[in-house]
Amino acid sequence: AQSVTQLGSHVSVSEGALVLLRCNYSSSVPPYLFWYVQYPNQGLQLLLKYTTGATLVKGINGFEAEFKKSETSFHLTKPSAHMSDAAEYFCAVYNQAGTALIFGKGTTLSVSS
Amino acid sequence: DAGVTQSPTHLIKTRGQHVTLRCSPISGHKSVSWYQQVLGQGPQFIFQYYEKEERGRGNFPDRFSARQFPNYSSELNVNALLLGDSALYLCASSNAGTGRSNEKLFFGSGTQLSVL
Repeated sequence: AQSVTQLGSHVSVSEGALVLLRCNYSSSVPPYLFWYVQYPNQGLQLLLKYTTGATLVKGINGFEAEFKKSETSFHLTKPSAHMSDAAEYFCAVYNQAGTALIFGKGTTLSVSS
Repeated sequence: DAGVTQSPTHLIKTRGQHVTLRCSPISGHKSVSWYQQVLGQGPQFIFQYYEKEERGRGNFPDRFSARQFPNYSSELNVNALLLGDSALYLCASSNAGTGRSNEKLFFGSGTQLSVL
């Protein structure tokens, strides 16, 4: 069965510092992987997705993620954090039937000035 | 174009009552999915509907039901509410059906349900 594990429920960085949010997955088939962001009192917004092809995926707002099959990882990074990046971030994988996203528990990113 | 719209935005019910949540997908999208997000957790899949047929169901009791209308809007119904049903209910739409689609989901802002 498919699953994702997000390491670290809370990450704090300074403005301008590197952002690294960790996600490991388990999948019985080649995974389709996603990162979503959720701002307070809002729904989820897609940052980026990996399906096939290039393993380094670029998304919106300067975020990118690298699919590493050997490490079963799909970590999210951003070179320089902005205050506006403070939010909840979710890693997700499609289930085998392709009918549902399976989400991790989320990582709260705090950015200090 | 309007995004995914959900109504109401907030709802307060008491235990044992019934609730209906509504969702309108993005124009042209034929698939609607429902997710439950309990505070501090990631969203959990409840249902997926495509072309008015149920295509997927998560691990939720029979008190939860849904349907999709000819205009592709959808309703989520929950009977005999429990305190544990308090959550943010998210609706998402896409133009994809079943299978290992790489189509992305577009989420609404959700309905915050509080059960007292």
